[in-house]
Amino acid sequence: EDKVVQSPLSLVVHEGDTVTLNCSYEVTNFRSLLWYKQEKKAPTFLFMLTSSGIEKKSGRLSSILDKKELFSILNITATQTGDSAIYLCAVLIQGAQKLVFGQGTRLTINP
Amino acid sequence: KAGVTQTPRYLIKTRGQQVTLSCSPISGHRSVSWYQQTPGQGLQFLFEYFSETQRNKGNFPGRFSGRQFSNSRSEMNVSTLELGDSALYLCASSLPGTGGDYEQYFGPGTRLTVT
Repeated sequence: EDKVVQSPLSLVVHEGDTVTLNCSYEVTNFRSLLWYKQEKKAPTFLFMLTSSGIEKKSGRLSSILDKKELFSILNITATQTGDSAIYLCAVLIQGAQKLVFGQGTRLTINP
Repeated sequence: KAGVTQTPRYLIKTRGQQVTLSCSPISGHRSVSWYQQTPGQGLQFLFEYFSETQRNKGNFPGRFSGRQFSNSRSEMNVSTLELGDSALYLCASSLPGTGGDYEQYFGPGTRLTVT
């Protein structure tokens, strides 16, 4: 069975800290890995990673994929209270056109 | 460009009833996927439609069904509602690229409560 596991499940840090969120996966037909941020409603797209070792960056957020070790990390530097959200990792299954999601990491940034 | 829209946003139904939810994808997107989100199970894939055909289905009972119209709008139907069907139902649309690598963009969801 396809499985995506995120850690930690919950994280509380102070504004300005740097955080690293982890995502490991075990799937039959990997196509790509996606990160989403979910606040009160719909998940919003952050990154899609297909190739190993290539860092994707958007402002203070960055992510990288390791296809040999089957994991990805999402880094957020100089965190702000607006970064408080649930961060979801998902794997796109090739041929099935479906996303398999992890449980999410609830990130809380305290001022 | 308008995002994915879903209607209604909130719905309260009674056990045994049926419900139809609607999703309009981003203009030009032809693939629509549906997901169920609950606190216990997280986000789970229901099914995916492309060009009016269901291409993939998740592990949900036959009470969950869907369809897609020629304009790519999609509906999902849940019959004989159970308390456990209470969830946030999310629709996502995507534009399949030549390589198959494409992001799914989510709508705001329909919050269904079954009493």
